[in-house]
Amino acid sequence: GIQVEQSPPDLILQEGANSTLRCNFSDSVNNLQWFHQNPWGQLINLFYIPSGTKQNGRLSATTVATERYSLLYISSSQTTDSGVYFCALGQTGTASKLTFGTGTRLQVTL
Amino acid sequence: DTGVSQDPRHKITKRGQNVTFRCDPISEHNRLYWYRQTLGQGPEFLTYFQNEAQLEKSRLLSDRFSAERPKGSFSTLEIQRTEQGDSAMYLCASSLLRGEAFFGQGTRLTVV
Repeated sequence: GIQVEQSPPDLILQEGANSTLRCNFSDSVNNLQWFHQNPWGQLINLFYIPSGTKQNGRLSATTVATERYSLLYISSSQTTDSGVYFCALGQTGTASKLTFGTGTRLQVTL
Repeated sequence: DTGVSQDPRHKITKRGQNVTFRCDPISEHNRLYWYRQTLGQGPEFLTYFQNEAQLEKSRLLSDRFSAERPKGSFSTLEIQRTEQGDSAMYLCASSLLRGEAFFGQGTRLTVV
């Protein structure tokens, strides 16, 4: 099956700092999503981005499918951004089931 | 429609008991997925339905696990003879045939 690697595994930032989270994958994809998992376990949809660039407020994402990576940018981080960020992929030719990376745990401090 | 809904949110059960979880997907979504997440890991795929048909099952889904989606609406996931290793967060998601998946709040199972 498809391999998904996320980096860094852990990240500590001061409030107001910017960060870049990376997701590398091993095969072509028909679906790529970024999620934020809150402390209660809920997966919050951030981006549906199998290719291209999208922005939503302080967050933006870019997927370069031909080079098999995606980036999530967080600008002017806030304490509410803390949590685990997952990249999840649907491999081309499968039925859109998602394979998740192991996540990046982000802690934003005052 | 407020999204994917799961019930219960938490379940504590004794080893050997059976448990059943329910998932109500977004109403127009014809695909429904179950995932399991253990501490420190990303969610792992268990099974999915397209309408009422169960089309794929992961090898993680042992014989003690069964899932149904009668009439292509809500789904249930039953675990028989629970073991401590079944303790995890069970997540349900739904989507259209292609596109973005949306997850419920999850059911956190603790087997004691």
